[in-house]
Amino acid sequence: GNSVTQMEGPVTLSEEAFLTINCTYTATGYPSLFWYVQYPGEGLQLLLKATKADDKGSNKGFEATYRKETTSFHLEKGSVQVSDSAVYFCALRADSGSARQLTFGSGTQLTVLP
Amino acid sequence: NAGVTQTPKFRILKIGQSMTLQCTQDMNHNYMYWYRQDPGMGLKLIYYSVGAGITDKGEVPNGYNVSRSTTEDFPLRLELAAPSQTSVYFCASSYSDTKNTEAFFGQGTRLTVV
Repeated sequence: GNSVTQMEGPVTLSEEAFLTINCTYTATGYPSLFWYVQYPGEGLQLLLKATKADDKGSNKGFEATYRKETTSFHLEKGSVQVSDSAVYFCALRADSGSARQLTFGSGTQLTVLP
Repeated sequence: NAGVTQTPKFRILKIGQSMTLQCTQDMNHNYMYWYRQDPGMGLKLIYYSVGAGITDKGEVPNGYNVSRSTTEDFPLRLELAAPSQTSVYFCASSYSDTKNTEAFFGQGTRLTVV
């Protein structure tokens, strides 16, 4: 079946540090890949997505590139802010069938200190 | 825009009690989902619906029931609550189930069974 593996947290960084959160996946076919963010006390919201190999998703200074050769979709940001403190989830949505439902990684808690 | 609205936000249940988690969306989405989020784990799909009157089991349906009498509402019923159902529950919706489609999430219901 499909699966998503994220680097374990929690991750603590100082403001303006560089962020990488690793995400790798297992899926048949050509899934779409997503990063969702969950701010404290809120539901998940889409941060960015990529729908085919070599696509780069970007939003709010975050980027992730769909790498089919390494089955990865690592999230990066060049300079994090305190307001980026949240839980980040990598997810995929497969090509067809009941597996089209979103499959999530376990989430990575990010804390950014001033 | 209200989006996806869940009630209640918090609830404590005694073992053996039952309750209904409410979910409503105002985006006219056909597809709706219930997930549970356990600490350190990704979101697991409980049930989903592809339209009014149509529901299907997800990955972890045991101990839950759903109904979908209208496009807007997708309540989740817990019968005979057990400590293993202590979790955070998220309702989500999407306009389709194609692989490129993002899901919109409610704020979650934190349920504790004691």
